[in-house]
Amino acid sequence: DAGITQSPRHKVTETGTPVTLRCHQTENHRYMYWYRQDPGHGLRLIHYSYGVKDTDKGEVSDGYSVSRSKTEDFLLTLESATSSQTSVYFCAISESGTHYNEQFFGPGTRLTVL
Amino acid sequence: AQSVTQLDSQVPVFEEAPVELRCNYSSSVSVYLFWYVQYPNQGLQLLLKYLSGSTLVKSINGFEAEFNKSQTSFHLRKPSVHISDTAEYFCAVSESEGNKLVFGAGTILRVKS
Repeated sequence: DAGITQSPRHKVTETGTPVTLRCHQTENHRYMYWYRQDPGHGLRLIHYSYGVKDTDKGEVSDGYSVSRSKTEDFLLTLESATSSQTSVYFCAISESGTHYNEQFFGPGTRLTVL
Repeated sequence: AQSVTQLDSQVPVFEEAPVELRCNYSSSVSVYLFWYVQYPNQGLQLLLKYLSGSTLVKSINGFEAEFNKSQTSFHLRKPSVHISDTAEYFCAVSESEGNKLVFGAGTILRVKS
């Protein structure tokens, strides 16, 4: 299994509070991705990174920010959590980010915003 | 823009029966197609992928999918399912010059004994 961990695995928070989710990899892969999974929507890309300090927006980036100060860590921050951000969040990594390069997924973080 | 449609949200089937999970995509350029599987409370794992060449691709656990360019489809099939195949299956597409995947909404396969 690819070495990807996510923390925390579960979190309950209140509307308006900041939340940071962490993705950590031990594979030294260049590309890292954050997705959210919601019933009926599959996985939707929030942000991705193609190197240290290099990030770009995905399909549903509003309300989220990311940072990558080290190859192994990719942080997702909800500056002021809302109930619509209740979801399961998955991190993925890819060696080169090209179309034929498999993405490996972490175990997910279940976030509930009350 | 690319999009992926998985036509069935849930597919119930009895053990040892055949199954087909349908996937259609839309794109104006060449694409690459993937099926991922998600077992309960886990992340996604790649099941199989079509990049080029033979339009029929197979996985190590008996699934196969056929790329049909004229019908813009990439349906997943298995001739005989097992209880352990119970999972959610996601179809995904990537444009040939892109570095992102677009996922369908998923199909839950429930195998009953």
